[in-house]
Amino acid sequence: DTGVSQNPRHKITKRGQNVTFRCDPISEHNRLYWYRQTLGQGPEFLTYFQNEAQLEKSRLLSDRFSAERPKGSFSTLEIQRTEQGDSAMYLCASSAAGGRPSYGYTFGSGTRLTVV
Amino acid sequence: DAKTTQPNSMESNEEEPVHLPCNHSTISGTDYIHWYRQLPSQGPEYVIHGLTSNVNNRMASLAIAEDRKSSTLILHRATLRDAAVYYCILKFGNEKLTFGTGTRLTIIP
Repeated sequence: DTGVSQNPRHKITKRGQNVTFRCDPISEHNRLYWYRQTLGQGPEFLTYFQNEAQLEKSRLLSDRFSAERPKGSFSTLEIQRTEQGDSAMYLCASSAAGGRPSYGYTFGSGTRLTVV
Repeated sequence: DAKTTQPNSMESNEEEPVHLPCNHSTISGTDYIHWYRQLPSQGPEYVIHGLTSNVNNRMASLAIAEDRKSSTLILHRATLRDAAVYYCILKFGNEKLTFGTGTRLTIIP
């Protein structure tokens, strides 16, 4: 297993364009999380899935953001009509056993989005 | 949410032990203490976790105070590759991880 994979690693887009990021979690992990991180801050929670069900969404996830996890495998995060404030590192993580407290998360390397 | 308090930054000399403190005075009986670290331009990496007893693994040791209101992550022999931001996080049930700003560790050659 190669861990959590995120694509692309970097994305530069013009303001107003739509972007989509992909996350491939560790295959046996049933929980998948999305976080956003800006410079000098810790990662901020956006949303998570248990299998294919999206169980929680942060207030940070505006209507322009949508996430899916079809068939409980990979996940996509789409941002519509991007704004400069969306520039950040988008991190994906997965965990086993329904996210029990004794289980850690495995993070991907992230997708760095720059909106120009 | 139970909160943690960590120093913003610390420095340590290479090849010496490092003790990273974390205060969590409002911890509840079922909160696990998790530590993650984030190297530059990478996602966070799991380091260690514990509930009540001290824990050791290949990366580090976790010393938990008897009253559980504080803990210390111990790197036994720091290398330059240990320079990172270290996050101490309390995890309750199957709630998601909530990160603070962590401690930025600088290793001096």
